[in-house]
Amino acid sequence: KAGVTQTPRYLIKTRGQQVTLSCSPISGHRSVSWYQQTPGQGLQFLFEYFSETQRNKGNFPGRFSGRQFSNSRSEMNVSTLELGDSALYLCASNEGDTDTQYFGPGTRLTVL
Amino acid sequence: AQSVTQPDIHITVSEGASLELRCNYSYGATPYLFWYVQSPGQGLQLLLKYFSGDTLVQGIKGFEAEFKRSQSSFNLRKPSVHWSDAAEYFCAVAAGGFQKLVFGTGTRLLVSP
Repeated sequence: KAGVTQTPRYLIKTRGQQVTLSCSPISGHRSVSWYQQTPGQGLQFLFEYFSETQRNKGNFPGRFSGRQFSNSRSEMNVSTLELGDSALYLCASNEGDTDTQYFGPGTRLTVL
Repeated sequence: AQSVTQPDIHITVSEGASLELRCNYSYGATPYLFWYVQSPGQGLQLLLKYFSGDTLVQGIKGFEAEFKRSQSSFNLRKPSVHWSDAAEYFCAVAAGGFQKLVFGTGTRLLVSP
């Protein structure tokens, strides 16, 4: 099976812009979780989608949003970027049979 | 609320020596616990997990972890460290479902020759 794919791998944006990140989970997995990783705050849960519905949400402002498509691919969007949004954004493909998350390589976002 | 504490920010171990990384969790019920490893610039790789049953769990790459409810701990061990084990290690607890993990701050392992 192919692993979790995240695109793009690297992104540079300026303050005020918006950005969209994409995640393709492992084939057959219907749930996707997103995390933000920064040196200061560590790994923090953003949200989880299952069958196109958001099931869980972390403590992030409304500028952070996501969606999931019928093929289970997921996107997350950050609007009005701030310098503090610079981070590694990780997507996890959730396997219900084993209650396990499999992580992608991440998208490194730099906000200038 | 669920939380995870990894008290050691950095640990240096000689190659071939044994390793123990500490993890303490806070959770009311029986926790789902995980250990992940992250190499520089990479995503997280699952080493092992504990849900229930035998409190000593075996993982990949020769790692094991022991769940101790009385101490709220889930320490990761390896009998003999290899240079390729140098990475950052994260302990995590499931917060209301395995799809939402609460991570510790991580322990960076350095392996000296």
